[in-house]
Amino acid sequence: DVKVTQSSRYLVKRTGEKVFLECVQDMDHENMFWYRQDPGLGLRLIYFSYDVKMKEKGDIPEGYSVSREKKERFSLILESASTNQTSMYLCASRWPGVGAFFGQGTRLTVV
Amino acid sequence: TQLLEQSPQFLSIQEGENLTVYCNSSSVFSSLQWYRQEPGEGPVLLVTVVTGGEVKKLKRLTFQFGDARKDSSLHITAAQPGDTGLYLCAVPPRASSGSARQLTFGSGTQLTVLP
Repeated sequence: DVKVTQSSRYLVKRTGEKVFLECVQDMDHENMFWYRQDPGLGLRLIYFSYDVKMKEKGDIPEGYSVSREKKERFSLILESASTNQTSMYLCASRWPGVGAFFGQGTRLTVV
Repeated sequence: TQLLEQSPQFLSIQEGENLTVYCNSSSVFSSLQWYRQEPGEGPVLLVTVVTGGEVKKLKRLTFQFGDARKDSSLHITAAQPGDTGLYLCAVPPRASSGSARQLTFGSGTQLTVLP
């Protein structure tokens, strides 16, 4: 059974903290993605990676960075968390041309 | 302008009713995917349609890709409370776009099936 696992289901962080969201997939997929999902705005792509150490900005990269040191792991970093980054964060992976597999999501609250 | 328009945005029906939700665009796509997302979970892929006019069935769910490959519909027969969730459509990028890897999602239809 294919699996994308996000390290936390719920996180509460303080403004200004550095936050790490981890995602691991066991399908040997080349492509991995980080989205955030907000009511009325749908899924918005933050960053994606198409290979180890390779990354591309998505639609809303400001305030975020990513790291992909190993093929199976893709990390999203909030350099200095702000309240407007409170959101549901979703990690996904896929092969080109096929559907995406998502993790269970991390609901992040920044206070 | 959104690439994908999903309608309706919200739908609340009684158990046993039938329903159809739509995903529309002015662009032509090589394929289209439908996902369902339950509260507090990530989206789960239901189906991919590839050929214009294609119809795929998944138990009580029927998916159709428009003849011109610009739109798609999802029909649910005899809806059940377990069908409750956010239904999302997604398309791969067009050949002319900058990145060949990411999917673009519609904003979804939030379906509630009442017992």
